[in-house]
Amino acid sequence: GENVEQHPSTLSVQEGDSAVIKCTYSDSASNYFPWYKQELGKRPQLIIDIRSNVGEKKDQRIAVTLNKTAKHFSLHITETQPEDSAVYFCAASISQTGANNLFFGTGTRLTVIP
Amino acid sequence: NAGVTQTPKFQVLKTGQSMTLQCAQDMNHEYMSWYRQDPGMGLRLIHYSVGAGITDQGEVPNGYNVSRSTTEDFPLRLLSAAPSQTSVYFCASSYFPSGGPGAGELFFGEGSRLTVL
Repeated sequence: GENVEQHPSTLSVQEGDSAVIKCTYSDSASNYFPWYKQELGKRPQLIIDIRSNVGEKKDQRIAVTLNKTAKHFSLHITETQPEDSAVYFCAASISQTGANNLFFGTGTRLTVIP
Repeated sequence: NAGVTQTPKFQVLKTGQSMTLQCAQDMNHEYMSWYRQDPGMGLRLIHYSVGAGITDQGEVPNGYNVSRSTTEDFPLRLLSAAPSQTSVYFCASSYFPSGGPGAGELFFGEGSRLTVL
């Protein structure tokens, strides 16, 4: 099955700086790549996603890039704020026959230092 | 619109006991799934369903059963609880948008924290 690797496992940045989290996937058939943010004790919530027919997507301070040839995708957060502190998960999905089975990375704990 | 609702939020079991985690969604999603989340391991898929009457195994199905009699409900049963099943369990559902590859957003419930002694 699909294998998703995520780096780094922890990341500390000063408020206002940028943060970058990188993921790789193993199955070239994967076609959907979401990023989830999980605050302590809460459910994962989607912050941005990208599909295999797009190379880059941006939503305000958050952007995601996808390199299908190299099988990696990255999350970029600019102008970080303390409320960005959370655990971030990347995931990949081989969407088929109505299934949306996500394979998750192991998470990155982002700490934004005021 | 409640989204995905899970019960109970917390449960303590003794080894060998059985229990059912309930999950319901009111978004008319055909796809539903169960994940478990363990420290340092991300979320791993246990079982999933693409519609009423259809279920299949995910990455870590052993020790768990599911059924899908309606579009709304997708319960997860632990047959004989073991300490290795101590985890946080998330139910999730998803839709499939028209146009473009891949699925839509996967919506998660609030989670059920299970401890097996």
